[in-house]
Parts: sequence; structure tokens; C-alpha cells
Amino acid sequence: GQNIDQPTEMTATEGAIVQINCTYQTSGFNGLFWYQQHAGEAPTFLSYNVLDGLEEKGRFSSFLSRSKGYSYLLLKELQMKDSASYLCAVRSSMDTGRRALTFGSGTRLQVQP
Amino acid sequence: DVKVTQSSRYLVKRTGEKVFLECVQDMDHENMFWYRQDPGLGLRLIYFSYDVKMKEKGDIPEGYSVSREKKERFSLILESASTNQTSMYLCASGLDLEQYFGPGTRLTVT
Repeated sequence: GQNIDQPTEMTATEGAIVQINCTYQTSGFNGLFWYQQHAGEAPTFLSYNVLDGLEEKGRFSSFLSRSKGYSYLLLKELQMKDSASYLCAVRSSMDTGRRALTFGSGTRLQVQP
Repeated sequence: DVKVTQSSRYLVKRTGEKVFLECVQDMDHENMFWYRQDPGLGLRLIYFSYDVKMKEKGDIPEGYSVSREKKERFSLILESASTNQTSMYLCASGLDLEQYFGPGTRLTVT
């Protein structure tokens, strides 16, 4: 089975940097994903990590440590529009051909002026 | 632009009714998924399909079935709706990495 933990809520200030952590336990690891979901909208893909290290994409970066079962999403130069839920998801390698993801319950980020 | 559409944004049904939720994608993706999203529980996988007429159970398949007769269309069926199936239902499609989600159907069962 798989277990994914992330904080329920976080608050940060516009212009600042925030780090959203995610820890996971999985029987066979085949990638970690971050999605953004604004209230009332569908999730949208942010990033993918399968090897250890940092992946940078503009203001957003995602880090993975497979040995620690740990990832974080780093948001720089926060903007009000970054207020959203951030979903951590893991894909398992145990199911041949399986492309489904197991999601954490999400971290609701509120950016304040 | 990838487009995933769902037949309804809001749906109200009575207990015991048969409910069909339709999902259509326009990107020729092999994989399609049905999730439900509940507060505090996140997105949970109900069923997925990796090819026409192929389906596999996800983490919470009880009370649901699916149909995939054409590559672009994936239907979720509630044979006899119950109040604990009141939820937001999200369809997604994808190839290998990224999944593209539809806007969701908020289903209320009374």
C-alpha cells in the first residue's frame, strides 16, 4: 500500500518563499508528482521527479529524496494567485502497466498581502 | 490544448437511482481515470482504463462500475446511488506522466 503525508494548511506572505513538504511510503516507487488546484477548479500538473535532486521550473521547484521518502515543493516570489491547494502524488512500480497515482490529501496555501 | 470534458458540473440524484457520469478527452490518450475528491481525504482512485474495453479497479471501486467502448470516452456508473457517494468526481486522461483533469462533477445523492 501507499501512504502520503503533507501539512493540511500553510500561510505565507506575498513575495516570500514557501516550502511544502511531502513524505511518502510506497511498495515500489516510480515517480512523484505535484499538482496545483485552485478552489472549485481541476488539478493542474506542476512537476515530476523520479530521480533524487531538484527540478526547477520558473518560480516553482520540486525536490526528491528517494532514500528518505521525502519531497518538497518550493514556491518563490509568492503571488496572490498562488493561493491554492497543492497535491503531492506518488506512482508505484508494483503494478505492471499501471499509470494511476495515489494522492495525498493536499496542502491548502493561503498567500496574504 | 488538451481538453477533458465531463457531462455535468452539478448533478442531484435520489438514493437508488442509476447514475451515469461521462468523460470525453480529445488527445487520443490511452489512459483514463476516475477519482472522487472529498474534504480531508484528497483524490481517491475509483477505476482506470489503459485501453478500449480494458479496466482496472482502483482503491475504492465498491459501488461503481465503468465502461470504455471508445478510446475517447470513459463512463462511470453508479448502479444504485447512495448518500455516501455524494462527492466531487474528477475524470483524468494521460499518456505516461502528466494527467489532465476535467472540471469535475459535483454529485449530490439525496
